[in-house]
Amino acid sequence: DTEVTQTPKHLVMGMTNKKSLKCEQHMGHRAMYWYKQKAKKPPELMFVYSYEKLSINESVPSRFSPECPNSSLLNLHLHALQPEDSALYLCASSQVGDYGYTFGSGTRLTVV
Amino acid sequence: GQQLNQSPQSMFIQEGEDVSMNCTSSSIFNTWLWYKQDPGEGPVLLIALYKAGELTSNGRLTAQFGITRKDSFLNISASIPSDVGIYFCAGLEGKLIFGQGTTLQVKP
Repeated sequence: DTEVTQTPKHLVMGMTNKKSLKCEQHMGHRAMYWYKQKAKKPPELMFVYSYEKLSINESVPSRFSPECPNSSLLNLHLHALQPEDSALYLCASSQVGDYGYTFGSGTRLTVV
Repeated sequence: GQQLNQSPQSMFIQEGEDVSMNCTSSSIFNTWLWYKQDPGEGPVLLIALYKAGELTSNGRLTAQFGITRKDSFLNISASIPSDVGIYFCAGLEGKLIFGQGTTLQVKP
């Protein structure tokens, strides 16, 4: 299995809702990442997990809360988002160290 | 923070032509990567470069890791319509940083 699977593919949520994005990989990768991508822009790093521990938080607002329950799963919990948070949210995984990342297809999030 | 300067920003070429794009940085990187992204999809890794001076091919794609570790280029030979998309360079030094992307359009 050489894939990173993200669910849901699309999500529309209100500003008072709580929702979660899910990411799963079975490649034995011990590093997992969340990126945010706005239209016609490159992906921007949000969080890095290494061996299931949060190692990098790129000053992301607390309305985004990551969780890594085990080595195969990564969640992003969303609460009280703003319309400007609408974007494509990408999950990626890799071996720990400077190795190429494998990306999922993303969740297209719209906040209304 | 670290920034990658990728050029050109966009290219519109005829099918069969060769394409070249490059990426420069003010910082050195241990690893350079090239990704392609289709609309509505995540980036797909095309080529990974792990050594300064390394030249690597993947089919019609060739990429090089600059000797100074501050630059990389990607060449696509004999372009075809399915090469259309956004190509991103990325430098990896503890975390992956993306260039601004090159949008490639191919006219059949």
